[in-house]
Amino acid sequence: ILNVEQSPQSLHVQEGDSTNFTCSFPSSNFYALHWYRWETAKSPEALFVMTLNGDEKKKGRISATLNTKEGYSYLYIKGSQPEDSATYLCAPPGKVEMRFGAGTRLTVKP
Amino acid sequence: GAVVSQHPSWVICKSGTSVKIECRSLDFQATTMFWYRQFPKQSLMLMATSNEGSKATYEQGVEKDKFLINHASLTLSTLTVTSAHPEDSSFYICSATPTRDPYEQYFGPGTRLTVT
Repeated sequence: ILNVEQSPQSLHVQEGDSTNFTCSFPSSNFYALHWYRWETAKSPEALFVMTLNGDEKKKGRISATLNTKEGYSYLYIKGSQPEDSATYLCAPPGKVEMRFGAGTRLTVKP
Repeated sequence: GAVVSQHPSWVICKSGTSVKIECRSLDFQATTMFWYRQFPKQSLMLMATSNEGSKATYEQGVEKDKFLINHASLTLSTLTVTSAHPEDSSFYICSATPTRDPYEQYFGPGTRLTVT
């Protein structure tokens, strides 16, 4: 079982602030890393699938980077909005199975 | 886009009864499906990996005799919670990986189970 760590566990920011959080994973046997936005008791929303070292992907105000050699991925949110409040999950490298980290709970205050 | 459905979306059952939850990939074939459970105030926890035509692979700590998984076709996996107890009350969600694209994974909308 691959261990993934997400930090921080929770984050409170003001509307308009930019923020970022980290997903750390073992760098060996990397296959793909997934980022999801998730609200409790709802289906996770896929954000990015990161596959190559150095990948940078962007979706609106959200972007992500990947460093497979050192085993981390960053998720950035520019100009946070209250609707960005959610838990952001990363799923560690695995060919098929996906075991989520504990997530970073983001709260954006208006 | 790829759609995964779950049925029922919510269910209430009495303690000691069994409940079956269906997970269907509507417009793609999925050799592999996954079942997750959300514990209170925690992230989604992988329960088991369901492979079409073979036995499911359960995560450590998940009772395979209590959570029966059947993946009888390339579009359907079922999770049966047997002899349900109140502590089984949870949000269960499935996901499916398209046979054609192992990088992707699509989630169902989830099932809220309440055991009284």
